[in-house]
Amino acid sequence: KQEVTQIPAALSVPEGENLVLNCSFTDSAIYNLQWFRQDPGKGLTSLLLIQSSQREQTSGRLNASLDKSSGRSTLYIAASQPGDSATYLCAVSRSNDYKLSFGAGTTVTVRA
Amino acid sequence: EAQVTQNPRYLITVTGKKLTVTCSQNMNHEYMSWYRQDPGLGLRQIYYSMNVEVTDKGDVPEGYKVSRKEKRNFPLILESPSPNQTSLYFCASRTNTGAYGYTFGSGTRLTVV
Repeated sequence: KQEVTQIPAALSVPEGENLVLNCSFTDSAIYNLQWFRQDPGKGLTSLLLIQSSQREQTSGRLNASLDKSSGRSTLYIAASQPGDSATYLCAVSRSNDYKLSFGAGTTVTVRA
Repeated sequence: EAQVTQNPRYLITVTGKKLTVTCSQNMNHEYMSWYRQDPGLGLRQIYYSMNVEVTDKGDVPEGYKVSRKEKRNFPLILESPSPNQTSLYFCASRTNTGAYGYTFGSGTRLTVV
């Protein structure tokens, strides 16, 4: 069974600092990995999707890396802003049936 | 705009009163699924559907029913809701190949009293 772990569980930084969020998974037979953002009580917004054959994906201030062999992904958010405050979820799609396994999330607070 | 639409956004009901949460997607996705999110337990899959008339149980199907009569719609049915089904529910869809990842709805906050 795929286990997805996100460290740290919570993070508080001053505005302008770079954010580093970690995700690890136990089964390297993945199809892809998706990072989501969730505001309190709201839906999941897809941030980045990395295919298993890729090493990284970038979108604006966001960059996600994937090391499938070691079972790790890292989400970098450059020059954080108070609007980046949210919970960030990592989800791994299984290679045989694409079923998603979620991490518990990292709750980020960016202080103005 | 490509999206998954859930209704209602918020619902308070009483134990035992049947309810349906609707989910509709406009992306022609074959695959749809339902999740519930609870503090400390994260997101867990309830049911999923690979295509019209094809549904299967996820990790926590007890107390729920689904149907897939049309490709775009995948309603979640609680025939006799109980307080332990109080949760935040999400519908999601993707293509059958999964190549473009999942799209999630905005969620339905259900409270059963």
